[in-house]
Parts: sequence; structure tokens; C-alpha cells
Amino acid sequence: DTEVTQTPKHLVMGMTNKKSLKCEQHMGHRAMYWYKQKAKKPPELMFVYSYEKLSINESVPSRFSPECPNSSLLNLHLHALQPEDSALYLCASSQGEQSNSPLHFGNGTRLTVT
Amino acid sequence: AQKITQTQPGMFVQEKEAVTLDCTYDTSDPSYGLFWYKQPSSGEMIFLIYQGSYDQQNATEGRYSLNFQKARKSANLVISASQLGDSAMYFCAMILTGNQFYFGTGTSLTVIP
Repeated sequence: DTEVTQTPKHLVMGMTNKKSLKCEQHMGHRAMYWYKQKAKKPPELMFVYSYEKLSINESVPSRFSPECPNSSLLNLHLHALQPEDSALYLCASSQGEQSNSPLHFGNGTRLTVT
Repeated sequence: AQKITQTQPGMFVQEKEAVTLDCTYDTSDPSYGLFWYKQPSSGEMIFLIYQGSYDQQNATEGRYSLNFQKARKSANLVISASQLGDSAMYFCAMILTGNQFYFGTGTSLTVIP
């Protein structure tokens, strides 16, 4: 079982809907990440939170809005998405500013935008 | 510029044989970490093995070993005694300072019975 929990596992939403993806970890990790992954492609970094502050935003459209309520939780708010936003959204965490700290991934949310 | 290169889009291996998945990287930072991840068709990304830039010995984890050749900037993954459950996508990744992770394009491994 993964130590990073993502909900929901699957999400189907229309282009006018507002939804949120949730991620939780209790490993005491100080860095949390959102990645987007298309089939047979590597994960693409979207956002990084370090010590609950947004440290990296990879020019993601504003229809994706991250939120880090506390050190264990990470949300991704979705609004007015496009069909091309359909993908696997992966949350990950790591210990932080250490080069020997691997990313621990959740099982992902498979998002379909209709 | 591509920081992690995986040149094998697809690989096949006979069950119980060993297979090497290639990975080369590009950085001028003296401190970095190299990782391999396995992603089955179910989607979860599973951490397999880690090699630090200052590590003198090659990392091993069970049937996985990392062939680290620093001068050549390569970090190949060797899977010994392949099993059917090893069929998956495999991603090489590098971490630099500042929580910057870079992933390669992946290698799809198929184990043939």
C-alpha cells in the first residue's frame, strides 16, 4: 500500500464543473508535488510545495489551482477544464531539500474531462 | 535541454533472464541523485532504487542493481531473473538541488514467458 493517499481514484467531469483532487501523506515529508501524466509519457511537473509554500509553478494554466492547507495535505482545484486535460494526476511527496530523498507517489487520480 | 535520456522505448526479455535498461543524464551539479521507478499498467509509480552522486558502490535492491558509471554519466538499471510481474514502464529520474526532479521518457519492458 502506498503511503501517499489520493482521492478520488477516478473522476469524470464536464468542462463547466468545479472539482478538487486531494492528496494526503503522514510521513512527515516537507515537499509535496503535483504531476500530470499522459499515457506512455513521463510525469510532467505541475507544482511543488516546500514547507507549505509554493516553490515551483511550471507555467500551469490558471484553471488548475493548487492549495496546501497543512504539511500533510495537498489539493488541486479544477475549474473549466478542457478535454486535453484528461490524464493521470499524480501526487508525490519527499523529505525535502535532500538529493537522496526519493519521491513517494500516490496511486493517482484518472481524470476524464467530457 | 534533455537532462535524462532513455534510448530504449521498448524492450523484451525472456522470463528468468537478466535485462539492462539504459539511462544517461546531463548535469554539471556535483551533487545529485538518480532513481528508477516502475509503473505497471495500473498507474502507480513504484520507487525501485537510488544512487547518489558521491556513492562509491553501485546500489542494489534485491533483483535490481544500478550500474553507475559517473564518468560516462550513465545509470543503467539491471533486473536479474526477470519475472512476468516485471512487465511495466520504467522511468529513470534525477534530482538536483531545489527539489527539481527530471524524468526520462521511459522504457516499456515486456517479459515473455
